Amino acid sequence: DAGVIQSPRHEVTEMGQEVTLRCKPISGHNSLFWYRQTMMRGLELLIYFNNNVPIDDSGMPEDRFSAKMPNASFSTLKIQPSEPRDSAVYFCASSFPGYNEQFFGPGTRLTVL
Amino acid sequence: AQRVTQPEKLLSVFKGAPVELKCNYSYSGSPELFWYVQYSRQRLQLLLRHISRESIKGFTADLNKGETSFHLKKPFAQEEDSAMYYCALKGSYIPTFGRGTSLIVHP
Repeated sequence: DAGVIQSPRHEVTEMGQEVTLRCKPISGHNSLFWYRQTMMRGLELLIYFNNNVPIDDSGMPEDRFSAKMPNASFSTLKIQPSEPRDSAVYFCASSFPGYNEQFFGPGTRLTVL
Repeated sequence: AQRVTQPEKLLSVFKGAPVELKCNYSYSGSPELFWYVQYSRQRLQLLLRHISRESIKGFTADLNKGETSFHLKKPFAQEEDSAMYYCALKGSYIPTFGRGTSLIVHP
């Protein structure tokens, strides 16, 4: 298994543009997490899915952020419109339910100019 | 509410020196605690978890419920240990991560 796959690995965009980040979890995992990593705030949980259903989205910063998981093998995190303060590394992670270890993807480094 | 505190943003030591990365937690129940490591521009990966009571790459961590701590220790630091270290707690159904400690080991 290739592990958790994220795309793109790097994204540079201009303020106001829509950004879509993609994640493919490890096959068989049915818990999926989106995190944002910055120097100032460290690793922040944005949203958690279980069996494709959003369970906790309290970490989503504002309405500009949305996440979907249409099936067990794919999730997206969308920012519309993007702002420079959204610049960060966004990680996706997956795990088995009740199994405590999370497996992280390589991250998407987002730069909003 | 569950919370993880890593008081040091940066820890700088010389090769061969002992290392202790601090982690304190707040949780009313019985927690599951982990240390994750992130080497430069790589993905986070699990380093160790308290229930397994193992030593990985020379690192150990003991859960102290009285002090609500889970400090990560290594007796002799190596240059390849330079990385970002995150302490994490899984209390309820979601994990909580600390802000991370950047460990730099100088030659």
